[in-house]
Amino acid sequence: KQEVTQIPAALSVPEGENLVLNCSFTDSAIYNLQWFRQDPGKGLTSLLLIQSSQREQTSGRLNASLDKSSGRSTLYIAASQPGDSATYLCAAPPRLQGAQKLVFGQGTRLTINP
Amino acid sequence: EAQVTQNPRYLITVTGKKLTVTCSQNMNHEYMSWYRQDPGLGLRQIYYSMNVEVTDKGDVPEGYKVSRKEKRNFPLILESPSPNQTSLYFCASSPITGIGQPQHFGDGTRLSIL
Repeated sequence: KQEVTQIPAALSVPEGENLVLNCSFTDSAIYNLQWFRQDPGKGLTSLLLIQSSQREQTSGRLNASLDKSSGRSTLYIAASQPGDSATYLCAAPPRLQGAQKLVFGQGTRLTINP
Repeated sequence: EAQVTQNPRYLITVTGKKLTVTCSQNMNHEYMSWYRQDPGLGLRQIYYSMNVEVTDKGDVPEGYKVSRKEKRNFPLILESPSPNQTSLYFCASSPITGIGQPQHFGDGTRLSIL
């Protein structure tokens, strides 16, 4: 059974720093790896999706990497801003359960201090 | 605007009083899903649907029902709610492809069962 872990559970950094969020998964046979952002009182917003054949994806100041062999993904945020404060979740659909079956980590709550 | 709409956003009710949380999407997505989010447990899938009249259990289906009579709607029914169903609920949708697509989430419904 796929298990997804995100460490740390919470992270607080000063504005302007570059930072890395970590996601690990136990079953490397995945369709893709997805990163979401959740703001308080809101739903999840998709940030990046890395297909299993890819190594990384970039969107603006965000870069996500995928290493299936080690069961790890990282989300790199460059030049962090207070508006980046949110909870970040990763999710991976294992191949045995279908491409839409997302298994989520518990998230990293990120605070960017002005 | 492409969106997933849930209603109500907040509900306080009592044990045993049947309730329905509606979910509607305007993106013609085949796949729809319900999740609940609880502190320490993360997001867990309740039910999902691959298309009209096709529904299946997720990881925590006990105490819930769903139906998919139209492609755009996927209501979640609690026939006899209990306090352990107090939670934050999310509906999500996506197209169905062989490799997976980002899921679009509603803003959530916070249910309190007294």
